[in-house]
Amino acid sequence: EVQLVESGGGLVQPGASLKLSCVASGFTFSDYWMSWVRQTPGKTMEWIGDIKYDGSYTNYAPSLKNRFTISRDNAKSTLYLQMSNVRSEDTATYYCTRDGVGAPFDYWGQGVMVTVSS
Amino acid sequence: DVVLTQTPSTLSATIGQSVSISCRSSQSLLDSAGNTYLYWYLQRPGQSPQLLIYLVSNLGSGVPNRFSGSGSGTDFTLKISGVEAEDLGVYYCMQATHAPWTFGGGTKLELK
Repeated sequence: EVQLVESGGGLVQPGASLKLSCVASGFTFSDYWMSWVRQTPGKTMEWIGDIKYDGSYTNYAPSLKNRFTISRDNAKSTLYLQMSNVRSEDTATYYCTRDGVGAPFDYWGQGVMVTVSS
Repeated sequence: DVVLTQTPSTLSATIGQSVSISCRSSQSLLDSAGNTYLYWYLQRPGQSPQLLIYLVSNLGSGVPNRFSGSGSGTDFTLKISGVEAEDLGVYYCMQATHAPWTFGGGTKLELK
């Protein structure tokens, strides 16, 4: 069974940094591109970016590219999202997703909440 | 960025009723290779989204065949032929033809 389990969320102050993790199981992690997607409190969905199966290439939404960094450790089957200089508008639930064959986001984690507030 | 507009924003249905959701794109989603990267997801209350339809009209793994997708270019439709209680939630369309990938605003399906 495919499982994606996110962690690392919580309450952070504006301007701070935060690193989210996602541990994958139930499939060969190193065979798949992976993505991060976030959902605002108003339920708007936004693709953050993705990373190639070997970690050699990343894509980002242009609006987030300068502050967010996606990385992975295939030995640990773990995906990461490094968030820097966070803003109130980054308050959202962050989902780790797998990019399947023929379909992005074929599996989703349970999500982790990030609240940016002073 | 490509804007996906879903209508209606809320849909009230009775069990067994057939319903349709529209997703219109600000640009054609047909790429130069002839592929159309349009997807549908369902987020049930309190759950993470799940893949329903990929590449316009293909059912995701384990998705019941009462769901169907159609469309081309800029106009796409998700149809549910006989709503069941487990179908309630918010439906999102998503495009991956043009970077950055974008989602529609969602359509909430509720019981009448």
